Amino acid sequence: EPEVTQTPSHQVTQMGQEVILRCVPISNHLYFYWYRQILGQKVEFLVSFYNNEISEKSEIFDDQFSVERPDGSNFTLKIRSTKLEDSAMYFCASTLSGGLSSTDTQYFGPGTRLTVL
Amino acid sequence: RKEVEQDPGPFNVPEGATVAFNCTYSNSASQSFFWYRQDCRKEPKLLMSVYSSGNEDGRFTAQLNRASQYISLLIRDSKLSDSATYLCVVTSTASGTYKYIFGTGTRLKVLA
Repeated sequence: EPEVTQTPSHQVTQMGQEVILRCVPISNHLYFYWYRQILGQKVEFLVSFYNNEISEKSEIFDDQFSVERPDGSNFTLKIRSTKLEDSAMYFCASTLSGGLSSTDTQYFGPGTRLTVL
Repeated sequence: RKEVEQDPGPFNVPEGATVAFNCTYSNSASQSFFWYRQDCRKEPKLLMSVYSSGNEDGRFTAQLNRASQYISLLIRDSKLSDSATYLCVVTSTASGTYKYIFGTGTRLKVLA
């Protein structure tokens, strides 16, 4: 079965440092997403990306965050200056047609656990 | 009102029991509905999509009630391996793209 992959699995960084989280979505998928989940809390939408641009973003996705698809396979999330409250699990996901139908499954990667010290 | 609401539980049930979860959503224009399962510290995985006419997959049955804006998940003959958090997911559209909105999840513990 095709899968979404993410690297690294765990990232530890100092407050104020920049981090880049990487994802390889499923190859024929067109819509890409980042979510975060703070330990013990719900999965929160950050951003969706289609056709090389952001299609929607949440209020969490402020100027400290950016996304990029630098080549045909990778999809990255950059946090410019990390804060303690950015510590969370970050999930990448992809879909074929953006949720247009009930058969359009959103596949998640295994996540990157970000710890900001 | 939250966009997607679930009872966080936990629901503690014995093996073999039948258990049902409900989820309500606030946007009447919501398009698609899903149940995901999430194990501790793992990614959400699709359990089943929810169709208007209701659908069944083995021991799992999902129902959608658009008039009352809720979806349900019924698990029959619970197994220990069903212990997980069950996430209700609803898609809504804004500016032409769909956003997947997650509920907080309902935690299920199946006890031996």
